[in-house]
Amino acid sequence: EPEVTQTPSHQVTQMGQEVILRCVPISNHLYFYWYRQILGQKVEFLVSFYNNEISEKSEIFDDQFSVERPDGSNFTLKIRSTKLEDSAMYFCASRLQGNDYEQYFGPGTRLTVT
Amino acid sequence: QQQVKQSPQSLIVQKGGISIINCAYENTAFDYFPWYQQFPGKGPALLIAIRPDVSEKKEGRFTISFNKSAKQFSLHIMDSQPGDSATYFCAASEGEYGNKLVFGAGTILRVKS
Repeated sequence: EPEVTQTPSHQVTQMGQEVILRCVPISNHLYFYWYRQILGQKVEFLVSFYNNEISEKSEIFDDQFSVERPDGSNFTLKIRSTKLEDSAMYFCASRLQGNDYEQYFGPGTRLTVT
Repeated sequence: QQQVKQSPQSLIVQKGGISIINCAYENTAFDYFPWYQQFPGKGPALLIAIRPDVSEKKEGRFTISFNKSAKQFSLHIMDSQPGDSATYFCAASEGEYGNKLVFGAGTILRVKS
């Protein structure tokens, strides 16, 4: 069964460093998302991406964040200068198109900022 | 108005019992209501979803009940099993436009054997 994959599973970085989180969405999906989950809290939307551009972003998704689909398979989230409060699980999700509303989540990347 | 309120925060059910988790929303533009199951250290897994044109949807032991006028929906897990012990999140979206999922706060379910 097709699934969303994410790498790395765990990333430790120092405050102020740049990190890139990688995702491979399900191959024929057209909508892509990043969400984050701070430990013990609910899942929060960061950004959605469709047709090679951002379709919506949350207040959390400030100028330190960017997304890119550099090729036909990868979808990346970059945090330019990490802060302690960026420590969280980051989930990538993808969705087919049209009337299929189901979003499928990857296993997540645990980001720890020290 | 974008919030989805979920209750209870935690739930303990005996094996074989019925687990019931409730959610409420305000945004009448929401038209897609999924439930996700999450095990520790894993990503949310889509369990079952409903759209507002039906009042109930059943898949195996899992049933969503939807009350459009009350703006509430609930997940019922029949014959609850220890393997069902997980965190359950309700969510909502204006699905047609590829919009974001708005999640509830989550319910930690423990099924005692």
